[in-house]
Amino acid sequence: QVQLVESGGGVVQPGRSLRLSCAASGFTFSSYAMHWVRQAPGKGLEWVAIISYDGSNQFYADSVKGRFTISRDNSKNTLFLQTSSVRPEDTALYYCARDPVPATYCSYMDVWGKGTTVTVSS
Amino acid sequence: EIVLTQSPATLSLSPGERATLSCRASQSVSRYLAWYQQKAGQAPRLLIYDASNRATGIPARFSGSGSGTDFTLTISSLEPEDFAVYYCQQRSTWPPLFTFGPGTKVDIK
Repeated sequence: QVQLVESGGGVVQPGRSLRLSCAASGFTFSSYAMHWVRQAPGKGLEWVAIISYDGSNQFYADSVKGRFTISRDNSKNTLFLQTSSVRPEDTALYYCARDPVPATYCSYMDVWGKGTTVTVSS
Repeated sequence: EIVLTQSPATLSLSPGERATLSCRASQSVSRYLAWYQQKAGQAPRLLIYDASNRATGIPARFSGSGSGTDFTLTISSLEPEDFAVYYCQQRSTWPPLFTFGPGTKVDIK
């Protein structure tokens, strides 16, 4: 079945870096754009970034632009989010999600992982 | 940046009642509007895409309508498992940037 499993979360000090991973299975990962979406404790959903199916294009929310980098390894069916210069407000549950139509950017996300938690604290 | 506003923030209803949730965009998003359901401790689940299309496996009691700036999610008769938080989400034409509304919590009256 189609599945996304995030990992790599943890406690990180302000200003440091952390790399999140999302392992995909059950579909042709290299055909689909992928997203990162986060949710601060007790808050709503915030879109973070999208990467095209082939990794050639990336787009970011203003809140993370210049600090976070989305990337992918299609040979390993894995999505990444490199977070740097993290701030306390980056504390959240980070979800990866699939853009549902191959080889394009759609307007919604159809498959979600269960998330990995990032806590920024000294 | 397109801002989404959802109302009400909380909707208190009884099982069997009809729920009507609103999502308003600060500028037109055409029909690029999706709805998600999120239960406590779970990932969001796609309910409706492109304003009115039900996602795979979503019961017929869920329906979406609207275009431009005003959208509605309707649950025709609430089941116990429908009490949750509902988010709307849009995508800008180009670049492809996405935003979520703040959510509407549907709780048991």
